[in-house]
Amino acid sequence: AQSVTQLDSQVPVFEEAPVELRCNYSSSVSVYLFWYVQYPNQGLQLLLKYLSGSTLVKGINGFEAEFNKSQTSFHLRKPSVHISDTAEYFCAVSSGNTPLVFGKGTRLSVIA
Amino acid sequence: NAGVTQTPKFRILKIGQSMTLQCTQDMNHNYMYWYRQDPGMGLKLIYYSVGAGITDKGEVPNGYNVSRSTTEDFPLRLELAAPSQTSVYFCASLRPGGPRNEQFFGPGTRLTVL
Repeated sequence: AQSVTQLDSQVPVFEEAPVELRCNYSSSVSVYLFWYVQYPNQGLQLLLKYLSGSTLVKGINGFEAEFNKSQTSFHLRKPSVHISDTAEYFCAVSSGNTPLVFGKGTRLSVIA
Repeated sequence: NAGVTQTPKFRILKIGQSMTLQCTQDMNHNYMYWYRQDPGMGLKLIYYSVGAGITDKGEVPNGYNVSRSTTEDFPLRLELAAPSQTSVYFCASLRPGGPRNEQFFGPGTRLTVL
């Protein structure tokens, strides 16, 4: 079985500061990894994904994530956050066509 | 392309009532999913389907039923609504092996059972 742990339920950060949202996964097979963002009262939007190849993945809105197989991690980073980045962020894992397994989410609050 | 659409956006039910949450996708995706989202719990899979006529249970199927008679539609049925089913429900679809291998999500249905 697969599982995802998002280590921080809430992350407050000042505007223009860097941020890292942590994600660890557990799986006995090769995985695909995803980060989704959910703005208030909206659905989920894909930020970025790792399927294969380069372990550093760049996504939309200036976010990037690095796949670390030895540490089973897929942390999300942004060098300088904006107020508009305030949202909930979900890490998810799948193996090919298997349904996504989500973490519990991290609420990012950007403070002016 | 409308993507994944869900109706209704909001609904209040009384305990014991039944309803169907509608989900339609126009991307010709084979795979479709229903999730529920509860505060602080992430998204949990209720049911999924890999094609018309094929459905399977997810992590939290109790109290729900699904059907998949066409590629486009994947309705979720609540037969006897309970307060524990108060949640936000998301439908998603996926074309396996596609260039992005990405699940596309609908906007959600917010359900309250009183």
